[in-house]
Parts: sequence; C-alpha cells; structure tokens
Amino acid sequence: EDQVTQSPEALRLQEGESSSLNCSYTVSGLRGLFWYRQDPGKGPEFLFTLYSAGEEKEKERLKATLTKKESFLHITAPKPEDSATYLCAVQATRTTSGTYKYIFGTGTRLKVLA
Amino acid sequence: DSGVTQTPKHLITATGQRVTLRCSPRSGDLSVYWYQQSLDQGLQFLIQYYNGEERAKGNILERFSAQQFPDLHSELNLSSLELGDSALYFCASSRGGDWALNEQFFGPGTRLTVL
Repeated sequence: EDQVTQSPEALRLQEGESSSLNCSYTVSGLRGLFWYRQDPGKGPEFLFTLYSAGEEKEKERLKATLTKKESFLHITAPKPEDSATYLCAVQATRTTSGTYKYIFGTGTRLKVLA
Repeated sequence: DSGVTQTPKHLITATGQRVTLRCSPRSGDLSVYWYQQSLDQGLQFLIQYYNGEERAKGNILERFSAQQFPDLHSELNLSSLELGDSALYFCASSRGGDWALNEQFFGPGTRLTVL
C-alpha cells in the first residue's frame, strides 16, 4: 500500500541546535516529493520539490535531500521563527490507470526554543 | 499573503445541509486545487481543476463536487453534511497544471463546523 510516513511526530529544539526531519515513502512511480511548512491555522507554504534520488535543495537554514526510500529536511542552526509543522507529500503514478495520486504525510511539529 | 482568497472564513451548519466554499486563485494561475485537513486524517487532496477542466481527483467523496468557472474561480460544494466533514478546507492555485512542476500557493482556508 502506498504510504508516506513522517518522523518524529513532534520535535523540540533549542535555538541553534541542528536536526533532521524524516519522510519515508513507499510508492511506485514517484514523480516528485514535496516539502511544505504550515503555521497554525494557516495554509501550507511550499518549500521544495525533489524529483530523483541524490537531489538536494537549499533555502536559508533548510536543506532537503532525497533517496530512493526517504527524504530528509535538515534544519541548520534553527531559530524560533522556524517553529511550524513541516509536511511532506508525494506525487506518484497509479500503476493501473497511469493517472497520478497525491499522498501527504501527517507532518512533524517543530518547536524551536529561544 | 499568497494572493489566493477563500470565502467564507468560517462556516457553521447542521448535519444534512449543503454548503458552498469559494476560491479565487492568484492572478494568472490557471490551476485550482482543493484540500481537506482534519485532525485525525491530516491533509488530503480532493480535486484539481485546470483552466475549467477537471485534471486530477483524489479522495473526494461522492457527496462533494467542485467546478471551475470561466473567470477561473472555483467552488467546492459539500452536501448531505456529516459530523465527520468538519475540517479546514484549503484551496491552492498554481500557474500550470502539472502538480510536480508547479509551486502551489495556498489560501487561508475555510473552517467548516458541522453540528
């Protein structure tokens, strides 16, 4: 069964304490893996799209990487304003019909303490 | 501000009723996506329209329907509402129709409460 699993569910970091969030996936025909940031009560904000294993993308203190089974979102020297829920999603091909399916993980709630 | 607008912000209704949620995409965006976010199920993709045509379908119930109008705004219709339909409904828009190649911009959401 196609699945996207994010870990940990919640993470508390001290300001400046670097860490990584994990998104593991079991889908066939991956077309893209996406990272979003979501603040409470607001819509998700797009961060990155990764297309193939080995790809890396960076934005400020965030760096996303992709392997054939999982993606990591590395947060370097986080600040309190990085506190949010980080969502991972994949677009994959439905093998029976050739159409696409979109699966979201349940997110990692990150809290960065000053 | 993403440039995507959604109305209303909040909606409270009763079981069995029908409601319509409205979304206006960013200027120039041709694609509109609808999502449902509930506490127990997380964010779920419902449906996508591109330039007035249905492009992709996710976990949308038969009681739900959507359309995109010639001016590109979209409406999500929810009927025979059940308690479990209470959720945040997000609309997003993008320039093109390919989910993998286009950044999506999300609106502020409509919070639906079914009593």
